[in-house]
Amino acid sequence: LAKTTQPISMDSYEGQEVNITCSHNNIATNDYITWYQQFPSQGPRFIIQGYKTKVTNEVASLFIPADRKSSTLSLPRVSLSDTAVYYCLVGDENYGGSQGNLIFGKGTKLSVKP
Amino acid sequence: EAGVAQSPRYKIIEKRQSVAFWCNPISGHATLYWYQQILGQGPKLLIQFQNNGVVDDSQLPKDRFSAERLKGVDSTLKIQPAKLEDSAVYLCASSLVPRQNEQYFGPGTRLTVT
Repeated sequence: LAKTTQPISMDSYEGQEVNITCSHNNIATNDYITWYQQFPSQGPRFIIQGYKTKVTNEVASLFIPADRKSSTLSLPRVSLSDTAVYYCLVGDENYGGSQGNLIFGKGTKLSVKP
Repeated sequence: EAGVAQSPRYKIIEKRQSVAFWCNPISGHATLYWYQQILGQGPKLLIQFQNNGVVDDSQLPKDRFSAERLKGVDSTLKIQPAKLEDSAVYLCASSLVPRQNEQYFGPGTRLTVT
């Protein structure tokens, strides 16, 4: 069962690029890395998922080194509306039960200032 | 496409009372999850259904919590009797199979037990 470690909080300014790193030393071969974003009083929202190297979508990029023991979520040119908690999860894409791989830690609270 | 619906949005009860939460997942999503999120923490998985069968309920306090998903669509989570420590937001999420790491969350039900 992979466990993740993230910084508790980060501060940034509007227009900057923000990189949030997650450590997952015990990641298993079949595990994918997934990031969620959560605003106050809302449920988490899926941002991006990857297995290795780099994945990019319209809102973020995910960088995964060859050993896959960490990953970095990159948010380009953040705005005030990106202020939220960001969670890193690792788990089998075809998870079929037992051992509860869908574990959210405390996440990283990102504060974007004007 | 309609998102995950939950009701009620807020509920206040006294300890030892019972309460029920309802969830309607995204149409076509076979997998449904219930999470408990205590203030300041990440969501904790309580139970996972695939269609109308339970896949994982290892973290569900079965002496007081129960959940069902009749006909493989809507689901109900019940707490009886409630304790003060059950005060939390209860989130419902759904996903396609096998993309179970990409979950879609509802707005949650905020429960306050007094």
